[in-house]
Amino acid sequence: KNEVEQSPQNLTAQEGEFITINCSYSVGISALHWLQQHPGGGIVSLFMLSSGKKKHGRLIATINIQEKHSSLHITASHPRDSAVYICAVRSSYGGSQGNLIFGKGTKLSVKP
Amino acid sequence: GAVVSQHPSRVICKSGTSVKIECRSLDFQATTMFWYRQFPKKSLMLMATSNEGSKATYEQGVEKDKFLINHASLTLSTLTVTSAHPEDSSFYICSAKGGSNQPQHFGDGTRLSIL
Repeated sequence: KNEVEQSPQNLTAQEGEFITINCSYSVGISALHWLQQHPGGGIVSLFMLSSGKKKHGRLIATINIQEKHSSLHITASHPRDSAVYICAVRSSYGGSQGNLIFGKGTKLSVKP
Repeated sequence: GAVVSQHPSRVICKSGTSVKIECRSLDFQATTMFWYRQFPKKSLMLMATSNEGSKATYEQGVEKDKFLINHASLTLSTLTVTSAHPEDSSFYICSAKGGSNQPQHFGDGTRLSIL
């Protein structure tokens, strides 16, 4: 079993829909990242969070430390949101420099 | 915001040649840089971690003589794929972070194709 599991693996939505991507992990963590990988391969860090909720524009990320679960929400989705969204956790056992453990990603396609 | 620049974005070369990939942090000092490799439809695989001024720490199974990493300054790390072979063809991504509680920023990646 992978230490970081994402669901769904693939997601197709119509423009304007509310989207949720889930991430569950099995290790103790010091932080969780949500990353966006564009079709060309470049990666953008969307959020780093260790508790609660963060919002940036149409994106919202939440984390429940007790349940070891995080969600990424996209409101009013747009075709330009089409990308692979990756959940990554920083293990607390590695200390502050601990390496990131990546999920396999969720491929999102938003149709106009 | 902080930006990590990776160059080149794409390289095609013949088998046996060496290829150097550069990773620069543009507006922060990167105390730690990471090099990842990504196979098609797979998650990122950490190859090595480098701290400025010290030798890189390689992950199990990664040949340090094959993948030379230099982190000579707080803004630059390089990955050199020596005597490249077709099986080295992949997408390589660098990442950098400024300090222990700082976010990790990623480069745009380098698509390496060895003929």
